[in-house]
Amino acid sequence: LAKTTQPISMDSYEGQEVNITCSHNNIATNDYITWYQQFPSQGPRFIIQGYKTKVTNEVASLFIPADRKSSTLSLPRVSLSDTAVYYCLVGDASTDSWGKLQFGAGTQVVVTP
Amino acid sequence: DTAVSQTPKYLVTQMGNDKSIKCEQNLGHDTMYWYKQDSKKFLKIMFSYNNKELIINETVPNRFSPKSPDKAHLNLHINSLELGDSAVYFCASSQGEGGTNEKLFFGSGTQLSVL
Repeated sequence: LAKTTQPISMDSYEGQEVNITCSHNNIATNDYITWYQQFPSQGPRFIIQGYKTKVTNEVASLFIPADRKSSTLSLPRVSLSDTAVYYCLVGDASTDSWGKLQFGAGTQVVVTP
Repeated sequence: DTAVSQTPKYLVTQMGNDKSIKCEQNLGHDTMYWYKQDSKKFLKIMFSYNNKELIINETVPNRFSPKSPDKAHLNLHINSLELGDSAVYFCASSQGEGGTNEKLFFGSGTQLSVL
């Protein structure tokens, strides 16, 4: 499985932009990069997915450089309700890992007033 | 209008008991999953079913037996519960055949505590 590395935790103040960078050096040609958000006592929630360059939706932006060996999730103007764990995942299209999407430890983002 | 619902929310039981967790999705998805989240927050896939057929069984003990009566339901039965089974179990679904690039929709989890 393509492994990902992301910071364990990040702190921010309300109204700031939070950028979480994820490393995935072994990403395969067919793999997409996906980010999930998890609040306490809830299941993970899909945030955004991308393959290359930049993707933006109403929640976040995802920046992917040309070599695709890393990606950065950008949360604009965070609020207290953005306090959560954020997971970076890379799909693995190899035959023996098909469908086995594994979550790492994620990044705990804490937003304070 | 909950998309993926699982019951119960909390389950406290004694070692050696048998218990079941139920999951239903109303999204019309073809693939359903069970994930286990341990105390360190790692989410590990246990099983996935596509149209009622098992496609992934990720080295889970035989005490765990998933059952999919139809593609909208995937239940998890656990025999002879052990202390190490204590965790949060999440059900999820996806639209396609279960590839790793698919968007997953998760239930709110079942907190299992084995005493």
